[in-house]
Amino acid sequence: GENVEQHPSTLSVQEGDSAVIKCTYSDSASNYFPWYKQELGKRPQLIIDIRSNVGEKKDQRIAVTLNKTAKHFSLHITETQPEDSAVYFCAASILGGGADGLTFGKGTHLIIQP
Amino acid sequence: DAGVIQSPRHEVTEMGQEVTLRCKPISGHDYLFWYRQTMMRGLELLIYFNNNVPIDDSGMPEDRFSAKMPNASFSTLKIQPSEPRDSAVYFCASSQVRGYTFGSGTRLTVV
Repeated sequence: GENVEQHPSTLSVQEGDSAVIKCTYSDSASNYFPWYKQELGKRPQLIIDIRSNVGEKKDQRIAVTLNKTAKHFSLHITETQPEDSAVYFCAASILGGGADGLTFGKGTHLIIQP
Repeated sequence: DAGVIQSPRHEVTEMGQEVTLRCKPISGHDYLFWYRQTMMRGLELLIYFNNNVPIDDSGMPEDRFSAKMPNASFSTLKIQPSEPRDSAVYFCASSQVRGYTFGSGTRLTVV
């Protein structure tokens, strides 16, 4: 089955700097790659996703890049703010869009230093 | 829409007892997923349903775990008998082939 590795497990950046979180996956059949943000005691919430026919996607300060050949994808957050502090999870699935289950990475605890 | 509704929010039970977690998906969503979250193992898919039919239960850890979806608006995850290693947050999520919506989770503690 699919295996998703996520790095780093903890990332501390100064407010205003950029943060990058990286994930690799093992199943070349995977086509859908979402990123979730989870605040303490809350549910995971989708912040951005990308499908395999696209190399990059942006939404304001958040971007995701995908390299299907290398089987890795990354989350980029620019101009970080205190409210960006949370745990971020990457995930992968074959069908995507809610039609099959997600395999998650272990998460990255992002800490924004004031 | 109230979103995905899970109950109870917190459950504390003694080892050996039966535990039932409940989920009401978003109306019209035809997929329902159960995930378990622990510090050690992260978020793991346990089972998912499409149109009330179980599609993949390969993530169910052992026979003590069972899940049902008797109709489109209700699902249960049952653990019998419960063990301390079952302590985790259990999330239900639903989707309509446009992305997943998670419930608030049930924090289960088995003592």
